[in-house]
Amino acid sequence: GEDVEQSLFLSVREGDSSVINCTYTDSSSTYLYWYKQEPGAGLQLLTYIFSNMDMKQDQRLTVLLNKKDKHLSLRIADTQTGDSAIYFCAVDSGYSTLTFGKGTMLLVSP
Amino acid sequence: GAVVSQHPSWVICKSGTSVKIECRSLDFQATTMFWYRQFPKQSLMLMATSNEGSKATYEQGVEKDKFLINHASLTLSTLTVTSAHPEDSSFYICSARKGRYNEQFFGPGTRLTVL
Repeated sequence: GEDVEQSLFLSVREGDSSVINCTYTDSSSTYLYWYKQEPGAGLQLLTYIFSNMDMKQDQRLTVLLNKKDKHLSLRIADTQTGDSAIYFCAVDSGYSTLTFGKGTMLLVSP
Repeated sequence: GAVVSQHPSWVICKSGTSVKIECRSLDFQATTMFWYRQFPKQSLMLMATSNEGSKATYEQGVEKDKFLINHASLTLSTLTVTSAHPEDSSFYICSARKGRYNEQFFGPGTRLTVL
């Protein structure tokens, strides 16, 4: 089945850019998603990208997709303390199901 | 919008009792809802896919008799943990699928603690 890997932890200073990386194994994946989870809360859909796109930008968020290397990244520009959370990469595994990575904890220090 | 609610947000129960968790899509109709389980510091594990008007599809290793799922309407799915035991303690999250791009919108989660 699909396997999705993420680095577990990232620490940045407020105002810097954050880049969270994700790799996946199923090249037939159609849609790839980024979710944010704040402590004790559910998941919030941040953005998604179709597999036929290389890049998608949405305000401070930039998603890059390298389909050849099966690599997905999320860049957060001008990171704020409110961005501190766990970020999950999720890949469409077909049949409407998603496979999630283990999540990357982003810690933003003032 | 795409708002999904869950009720209750947290529940504590005694071992051997059953607990029902509701998942509602508040402002859209969801033919498909999903139930996930999340262990501390771990990712979400898909338990089952719930389709309105039909039986749920369970992932491998998930006991269908223990985790009963009912998707009675286009806006409501319920998960009942039957004869709960301490090892069932977890964070249960539902999601509802909206649109044709498989966007899943998640509920806030239910923290279940079985004593």
